[in-house]
Amino acid sequence: KQEVTQIPAALSVPEGENLVLNCSFTDSAIYNLQWFRQDPGKGLTSLLLIQSSQREQTSGRLNASLDKSSGRSTLYIAASQPGDSATYLCAVDGGATNKLIFGTGTLLAVQP
Amino acid sequence: GAGVSQSPSNKVTEKGKDVELRCDPISGHTALYWYRQSLGQGLEFLIYFQGNSAPDKSGLPSDRFSAERTGGSVSTLTIQRTQQEDSAVYLCASSLVGGVSYGYTFGSGTRLTVV
Repeated sequence: KQEVTQIPAALSVPEGENLVLNCSFTDSAIYNLQWFRQDPGKGLTSLLLIQSSQREQTSGRLNASLDKSSGRSTLYIAASQPGDSATYLCAVDGGATNKLIFGTGTLLAVQP
Repeated sequence: GAGVSQSPSNKVTEKGKDVELRCDPISGHTALYWYRQSLGQGLEFLIYFQGNSAPDKSGLPSDRFSAERTGGSVSTLTIQRTQQEDSAVYLCASSLVGGVSYGYTFGSGTRLTVV
């Protein structure tokens, strides 16, 4: 059974810092991995999608990496801003199960 | 449409009443998913549709929960005889499925409060 874990559960950093969020999964047989952002009381916004054949994806200040063999992904946020404050979720698509399995999330607070 | 649309955005209902939640996926997306997010909890898978059929409904918590999809488009999640533990945000997502995964797009959710 696929399990997805995110570390840390919560993180508080001063504005301008670079930071890394971690995601690990137990079954390496995935089709893709997706990082989402969730603002309080809102739905999920897709940030980055990494296919199983890819190693990383970049969008603006965000960079996500994927190491299938070790069951790990990281989300790197450069030059953090208060507007980055949100819960960040990673999810894996196992293909055969036809559903996303979500991690527990990291609550990020960027202090002005 | 441009995105996944869910309605209503908020619903307050009395315990024991039935509720219907609606999801309008992105046009052309054949896969549709329902998830539930309870306060302080992660996202819990409920049901998956491919076209109008539901090959995986393993996440439905009880027989009070049912869902249907018509015309390969709009889906309705129905909760009968609501209980307070049904209070949660219900999220719908759709995906273009066909050999290569394009990822999932989520709606803004329906916040259900059972009083």
